[in-house]
Amino acid sequence: EVQLVESGGDLIQPGGSLRLSCAASGFTVSSNYMSWVRQAPGKGLEWVSVIYSGGSTYYTDSVKGRFTISRDNSKNTLYLQMNSLRAEDTAVYFCAREETVGVPGATSQAMYADVWGQGTTVTVSS
Amino acid sequence: DIQMTQSPSSLSASVGDRVTITCRASQSISTYLNWYQQKPGKAPKLLMYAASSLQSGVPSRFSGSGSGTGFTLTISSLQPEDFATYYCQQSYNTPLTFGGGTKVEIK
Repeated sequence: EVQLVESGGDLIQPGGSLRLSCAASGFTVSSNYMSWVRQAPGKGLEWVSVIYSGGSTYYTDSVKGRFTISRDNSKNTLYLQMNSLRAEDTAVYFCAREETVGVPGATSQAMYADVWGQGTTVTVSS
Repeated sequence: DIQMTQSPSSLSASVGDRVTITCRASQSISTYLNWYQQKPGKAPKLLMYAASSLQSGVPSRFSGSGSGTGFTLTISSLQPEDFATYYCQQSYNTPLTFGGGTKVEIK
């Protein structure tokens, strides 16, 4: 069964650090694009970061320089290292597998998140 | 960054109604557009990708259309399990961005 299980969420003080994990089963993390998406309490979805199968990484502006996405191929696990945490980082964090598909007439492939974890809660508060 | 604007932000509908949700991009994104459904306390679920492709296992009452800057998600006959919040998302470039969501409530 294809599955993602997040862990690592916690209550952390502003300025602190936390590492989220996303353990995959049923597929290989390193062969896929993988994303982190978050949802602040009562708010909509916000894309955070993606790592491509080739290793390229991208971030939303608000976390650049503070968050790092990575993976451990031997553990088939995706990570999100979060430093210098702020109150506005409080959210449920979801990891997701991104599938890709060609778009007629286009050079780059479209991405869509077809498998999601259940989410892990990060609360940044003193 | 590409801004995604959904309308309406909420709607009330009855079982059996036809429901249409609109998503507009701040620049052309071809068909790099996905739709997700989310129920309270749950992870999002993929409904449509590449604007009009139905994800495996999703009922055929869901359909998507559009290209460029304007897109729609249509539910042809609303079912009780469809009451949820729906999000569009562009994957044309990073940062990937979501619309603000449309909450579909029971009338």
